[in-house]
Amino acid sequence: AIQMTQSPSSLSASVGDRATITCRASQAIGNDLAWYQQKPGRAPTLLIYGASTSQSGVTPRFSGSGSGTDFTLTISGLQPEDFATYYCLQHYSYPYTFGPGTKLEIK
Amino acid sequence: QVHLVESGGGVVQPGGSLRLSCAASGFTFKYYPMHWVRQAPGKGLEWLAVMSSDGSHTNYADSVKGRFTVSRDTSTDTLFLQMNSLRIDDTAMYYCARVSSAIDYWGQGTLVTVSS
Repeated sequence: AIQMTQSPSSLSASVGDRATITCRASQAIGNDLAWYQQKPGRAPTLLIYGASTSQSGVTPRFSGSGSGTDFTLTISGLQPEDFATYYCLQHYSYPYTFGPGTKLEIK
Repeated sequence: QVHLVESGGGVVQPGGSLRLSCAASGFTFKYYPMHWVRQAPGKGLEWLAVMSSDGSHTNYADSVKGRFTVSRDTSTDTLFLQMNSLRIDDTAMYYCARVSSAIDYWGQGTLVTVSS
C-alpha cells in the first residue's frame, strides 16, 4: 500500500498569515491527490482534487500544487474559519490512503 | 443536491455484527463508485472499502478484509457495509462517500462502538 506522510502534524498561525502543508507519497501517484478540511464533529469536505484543481465553491485562498510524490496545500490570508484539520488522500491505487492530518491552530 | 445519510450504528459486543446503510439522493447513484471511510475517536481518517458503480468490483483495506463486506442496491439507492467479527479497535465514526474526480461528498457519519 502507498504510504502518505504529512508535515507538519500541527501548525500554529495567525489570521492573515499564509500556511503551507506538505504531503509526500511513498511512491509516485501522478496527480491523484486530494486535500480535505475537517472541523470538529463534522465530515471532511473536499478542497482540492487532481493535486491542484479547486473543488467548486471553495475559496481561492486554498491552492494545491505538486505531482509524483510531493504535494503542497497553501492557504493564503488565513481566516478564522480556516482553523481546522487538513488531510491529503491518494486515489491513485487501492487501498486509498490518507495522510495522518495537519491540525491548523490559531496562534 | 447530493445527500448521503448513514444509519445502523450503535453499540455492539466484540465478535458481534452490524450492518450499516447509506441512503443516497440528489444524484444518479448507479453511475458512481461508493466508498466507506472511518475515523476512530480523536484519530485520522481511514479508507475502508469501495464498490464500483455497477457493483461488479470491490476493494478493501487490509484491516477489514475478510470481515467487512460492501454491497449496494440500485433499486433503493442504498450502500451497505456488513461488519462481522467486530473488534474494539473498529470503534469509529463510519462515513459513506461518493467518488467523482476524488471522494467529493460525504455523509454525516454513523457511530459504531464495540465494547463489552
